[in-house]
Amino acid sequence: KAGVTQTPRYLIKTRGQQVTLSCSPISGHRSVSWYQQTPGQGLQFLFEYFSETQRNKGNFPGRFSGRQFSNSRSEMNVSTLELGDSALYLCASRGLGTYNEQFFGPGTRLTVL
Amino acid sequence: AQKITQTQPGMFVQEKEAVTLDCTYDTSDQSYGLFWYKQPSSGEMIFLIYQGSYDEQNATEGRYSLNFQKARKSANLVISASQLGDSAMYFCAMREPQGGGFKTIFGAGTRLFVKA
Repeated sequence: KAGVTQTPRYLIKTRGQQVTLSCSPISGHRSVSWYQQTPGQGLQFLFEYFSETQRNKGNFPGRFSGRQFSNSRSEMNVSTLELGDSALYLCASRGLGTYNEQFFGPGTRLTVL
Repeated sequence: AQKITQTQPGMFVQEKEAVTLDCTYDTSDQSYGLFWYKQPSSGEMIFLIYQGSYDEQNATEGRYSLNFQKARKSANLVISASQLGDSAMYFCAMREPQGGGFKTIFGAGTRLFVKA
């Protein structure tokens, strides 16, 4: 079974631009979560989607948004990029079951200049 | 208040010895799940072990075991017979109900160094 894939793996943007990151979950998984990882703040939860519906959202400004498609693929968008948005963005998928483990993708490393 | 506390920013262990990584958590829910993940320098997060709040037995997965003490709200990871490849960041995480859904939160992590 293929794992979680994320594209692109690396991205360099400048302040004020917007970016879209993509995540394809493990086949059959309908739950996708997004996390931001930085050295200073650690791993922070962004949002979770299940069957195209956002089930939960972390404490991030409205510049961070996401969506999930009918095939469970998910995208997250960050508008008006700031220097502080530089981070590793991790996507994780989960099978059915509230407490099933999450399987993470390799991440997208975003650098904002 | 911190929901997941990992008090050891860094740990050293000699190859082939056992090591315990500490994790305490804070929740008022009766139903929750506890997880440990490993993150090597490559950046990928690797699931290691899971403990449900209602599980009476400590979880074990190969060389990994979870020392679950519910009353103390601790979920320490024990790695037996450490290997050089165990050098990595280790994160403790908790999944609990929140706002009609569920949320997984992570601790700050412990960096483990295995010495030859």
